[in-house]
Amino acid sequence: DGGITQSPKYLFRKEGQNVTLSCEQNLNHDAMYWYRQDPGQGLRLIYYSQIVNDFQKGDIAEGYSVSREKKESFPLTVTSAQKNPTAFYLCASSIGASGGLADTQYFGPGTRLTVL
Amino acid sequence: DAKTTQPPSMDCAEGRAANLPCNHSTISGNEYVYWYRQIHSQGPQYIIHGLKNNETNEMASLIITEDRKSSTLILPHATLRDTAVYYCIVRVATWYIFGTGTRLKVLA
Repeated sequence: DGGITQSPKYLFRKEGQNVTLSCEQNLNHDAMYWYRQDPGQGLRLIYYSQIVNDFQKGDIAEGYSVSREKKESFPLTVTSAQKNPTAFYLCASSIGASGGLADTQYFGPGTRLTVL
Repeated sequence: DAKTTQPPSMDCAEGRAANLPCNHSTISGNEYVYWYRQIHSQGPQYIIHGLKNNETNEMASLIITEDRKSSTLILPHATLRDTAVYYCIVRVATWYIFGTGTRLKVLA
């Protein structure tokens, strides 16, 4: 099956611990994105990557870090510096720059992180 | 801030057409309008997108006004499985800016 996988679906961590969320895609997309969603709200961009070994901060990057060592993988680390990490995290991918202005993003199933 | 405005909620009878409006009065000439929907605790699902012409696919139709300041997503025969939050998005630069969407409830 082609698509985007995120694991795990539910994740629990103690306050003060770093945690890494996985995102993998086999769509051969160049661009990948991380969004955060709080209850009753829309999605907010954390980080995005247009190409391997390059990534840019989104609107709410503080307390998060990413890496893009492989085209198909874009893991997100939620650090202890993130003041309110409990949220639903969504990964997306798209063709990227070659998709032009109509570049469509496709989303994974999400990871719900709860910090105790 | 989101570049789109949507009503917070709507109801629709099963089998009837669901018409979801969206205002995007500040849209630029080359910005596309996208529609996604999100069923509770799942990732957003792509529905359709358009620039200035009306678009139709197997899921829905998108009607964009001539001045491009508003659009309507039409689900021609709504089913209970269409109950979800529907997001109208104008793509800005490289990413999307989401608003809070319209919560559509399809009633039996």
